[in-house]
Amino acid sequence: DTAVSQTPKYLVTQMGNDKSIKCEQNLGHDTMYWYKQDSKKFLKIMFSYNNKELIINETVPNRFSPKSPDKAHLNLHINSLELGDSAVYFCASSNLAGGTGELFFGEGSRLTVL
Amino acid sequence: GNSVTQMEGPVTLSEEAFLTINCTYTATGYPSLFWYVQYPGEGLQLLLKATKADDKGSNKGFEATYRKETTSFHLEKGSVQVSDSAVYFCALRGRGGSNYKLTFGKGTLLTVNP
Repeated sequence: DTAVSQTPKYLVTQMGNDKSIKCEQNLGHDTMYWYKQDSKKFLKIMFSYNNKELIINETVPNRFSPKSPDKAHLNLHINSLELGDSAVYFCASSNLAGGTGELFFGEGSRLTVL
Repeated sequence: GNSVTQMEGPVTLSEEAFLTINCTYTATGYPSLFWYVQYPGEGLQLLLKATKADDKGSNKGFEATYRKETTSFHLEKGSVQVSDSAVYFCALRGRGGSNYKLTFGKGTLLTVNP
């Protein structure tokens, strides 16, 4: 069973379009994250939800909107896509209540904006 | 704020060579420290971790010791294999307050040649 799964794995789209990436975790964790990895492999946190509440909201354009319908799901919607949005987006989860904060990552969603 | 600095590489070694990837951090208090590995085309996986000073994390022949006096968590392996070729990320998580996120270094690309 996949612990953290993201869909789609690959996404190619035109500038100006709107797209969504979905994430689900079956680990029973209380916290989920979105990270963006650029072409140089640099990882930057974007958002985090704990028990469906937004707890981290880094400096991200408001074209990016996360939504967490429940603890096991965290989706990322992107409006008016730009060339600079091309990256690999990783979903992750962890337990804040106890544990050492280890993150479990999905396999990533590679977004290419043409 | 918290930050992680690691040697950026790329690092190219021959099989069975000794590996060191340096990592130093800046954080208030006593963070937990991690090494993650990202194999080509995959998400990040936890390689090892240490939660307090002088702890040694180890896994798959890799080791790292939490050194508070030098604020370091260098990754070492005595004899690398071709299958160790990947990007390695050092990371920290602070304790308490709003330290929910994992802060990553910029990653070090390791290539091991036969």
